[in-house]
Amino acid sequence: AQTVTQSQPEMSVQEAETVTLSCTYDTSESNYYLFWYKQPPSRQMILVIRQEAYKQQNATENRFSVNFQKAAKSFSLKISDSQLGDTAMYFCAFIITGAGSYQLTFGKGTKLSVIP
Amino acid sequence: DTGVSQDPRHKITKRGQNVTFRCDPISEHNRLYWYRQTLGQGPEFLTYFQNEAQLEKSRLLSDRFSAERPKGSFSTLEIQRTEQGDSAMYLCASSLGGFNQPQHFGDGTRLSIL
Repeated sequence: AQTVTQSQPEMSVQEAETVTLSCTYDTSESNYYLFWYKQPPSRQMILVIRQEAYKQQNATENRFSVNFQKAAKSFSLKISDSQLGDTAMYFCAFIITGAGSYQLTFGKGTKLSVIP
Repeated sequence: DTGVSQDPRHKITKRGQNVTFRCDPISEHNRLYWYRQTLGQGPEFLTYFQNEAQLEKSRLLSDRFSAERPKGSFSTLEIQRTEQGDSAMYLCASSLGGFNQPQHFGDGTRLSIL
């Protein structure tokens, strides 16, 4: 079974500081894509960043970057220069490629609060 | 790009009633997904369409649930004989083909069973 574990239910960070959200996953497959999604309060879920499992180089998108450790099945998200608008639920997810399934498997999420 | 649209935003109904939700995907997206999200949990996959064909269904999708996507455009999710446990946020997403293509989510329909 595919699972995603986000061990930090809630986190807070001071505005302009850096915060890292952790994610571990479990799968016996070797080819997959990993995603971080953001769900602001009462708003729709949006993609933050994605990573191809076959790429060793960590993905970056402006203030967002990941630390992907395939052997450890770890996929953490680092948010630099945190802004008030980063306050949201953050979900880690992955999708297996080549298995005939297009379902995303999500973790339970981490609630991030950015404090002014 | 007008985004994924879901209707209604909220639905309150009595146990035992039938409900139907609608999802309008991003127009050029051929793939459409339904997820269910309960309080404190991440979204859980329900079903997936490629164009008009329903290609995958989760074990979560009991016989009381049915989804359609006629003509490969909008989709409907119907729940018959609703139960208390059906209370959740129902999310629709759409994407282009390819595993690396992100799924774009709608605002969801929040279902409350009285």
